[in-house]
Amino acid sequence: SAVISQKPSRDICQRGTSLTIQCQVDSQVTMMFWYRQQPGQSLTLIATANQGSEATYESGFVIDKFPISRPNLTFSTLTVSNMSPEDSSIYLCSVGDSHEPQHFGDGTRLSIL
Amino acid sequence: RKEVEQDPGPFNVPEGATVAFNCTYSNSASQSFFWYRQDCRKEPKLLMSVYSSGNEDGRFTAQLNRASQYISLLIRDSKLSDSATYLCVGLSGGSYIPTFGRGTSLIVHP
Repeated sequence: SAVISQKPSRDICQRGTSLTIQCQVDSQVTMMFWYRQQPGQSLTLIATANQGSEATYESGFVIDKFPISRPNLTFSTLTVSNMSPEDSSIYLCSVGDSHEPQHFGDGTRLSIL
Repeated sequence: RKEVEQDPGPFNVPEGATVAFNCTYSNSASQSFFWYRQDCRKEPKLLMSVYSSGNEDGRFTAQLNRASQYISLLIRDSKLSDSATYLCVGLSGGSYIPTFGRGTSLIVHP
């Protein structure tokens, strides 16, 4: 399976600031996804990162708050904008395909003060 | 109602015990199922796929019952290192986006 690298692995940020998380895959993949996992909760899909076009956001998530880039088939970024304590979470990128299980990066643990 | 439901536990078992988790799904279009393992504050990692014919990998056995719409995971001879959260995942045919259960917490104690 693909090797997925995420960075930063963790960060502590001030409220009102923004943080960009990077996800690098060691091979070309069709589908890349961004998830959020809040403490004690399951994974929630934020959006599907589409190569060469705007990301597809799930209900409750908007581009202004979570802008996503996907410049090529091996790389994507997620920005968490104007952060508040409620954004404290683990953010995960993953790659997958139809009928195939997804594989995850090792996550970014974000704390907002 | 969530599409994939799991008992959150925790399941507290002694080393060597056999433990089983069930997961129910409501979307009959779901075709592929998986079990993931997630350690505390780590990313989920694929444990095994689930097939109608059953799937066994060492101490782990996964079963799919389409008639009753549930998936099971059986762990035999539990080890301390099996302590983790186990996520049940369903994927509908033609879809790239899986549905994750909330996870079942397992604690194996000496």
